[in-house]
Amino acid sequence: DTAVSQTPKYLVTQMGNDKSIKCEQNLGHDTMYWYKQDSKKFLKIMFSYNNKELIINETVPNRFSPKSPDKAHLNLHINSLELGDSAVYFCASSQDKIGSSPVTDTQYFGPGTRLTVL
Amino acid sequence: AQTVTQSQPEMSVQEAETVTLSCTYDTSESDYYLFWYKQPPSRQMILVIRQEAYKQQNATENRFSVNFQKAAKSFSLKISDSQLGDAAMYFCAYRSAGTGNQFYFGTGTSLTVIP
Repeated sequence: DTAVSQTPKYLVTQMGNDKSIKCEQNLGHDTMYWYKQDSKKFLKIMFSYNNKELIINETVPNRFSPKSPDKAHLNLHINSLELGDSAVYFCASSQDKIGSSPVTDTQYFGPGTRLTVL
Repeated sequence: AQTVTQSQPEMSVQEAETVTLSCTYDTSESDYYLFWYKQPPSRQMILVIRQEAYKQQNATENRFSVNFQKAAKSFSLKISDSQLGDAAMYFCAYRSAGTGNQFYFGTGTSLTVIP
């Protein structure tokens, strides 16, 4: 009964390939996020979805495309992988009902996916 | 955008001793939330403690406590009776109280616990 799960946990692939990372949360949260953690451990927000709607889209290459089929899932698809895409990718979720209160605040993270591009 | 600064890239502490990790942030907002997350070698991000800005009382969770100084925009984490399992990367994070706002993370402090 993992709260936020990601698959796969490890992904090794060749440059130029297309790959996807899946994320699911069973917390009933309405907001989900993707972060990239580089080799220096710096956490960078990539995307945020609220109820399947994109609300945060930081400056990331358009090779990265998030997809939210429902509010419990936020998948990350990456086209034409490059060496610099190697990192750990974290999915997270929180409860954030836009337009209503109270807003709960805590963000829960998945276990991370270590992507290695060769 | 808000910024979160952790000025100590690395810290070490003797087992059973106390250590304080510092965090400062920059914001013009009055209502927000602050967090400390722990990332052990397993890389799982684990919530350690949270603080609402409108509460003057410092949050505590067992051996973990914070020193929240709102005027100084400072949010330090104190770990008492340090244990080997406390060795990890610690991230300070900020979130506005409004809806649809993202979390801002510091660059992390790597804590080593010396037996």
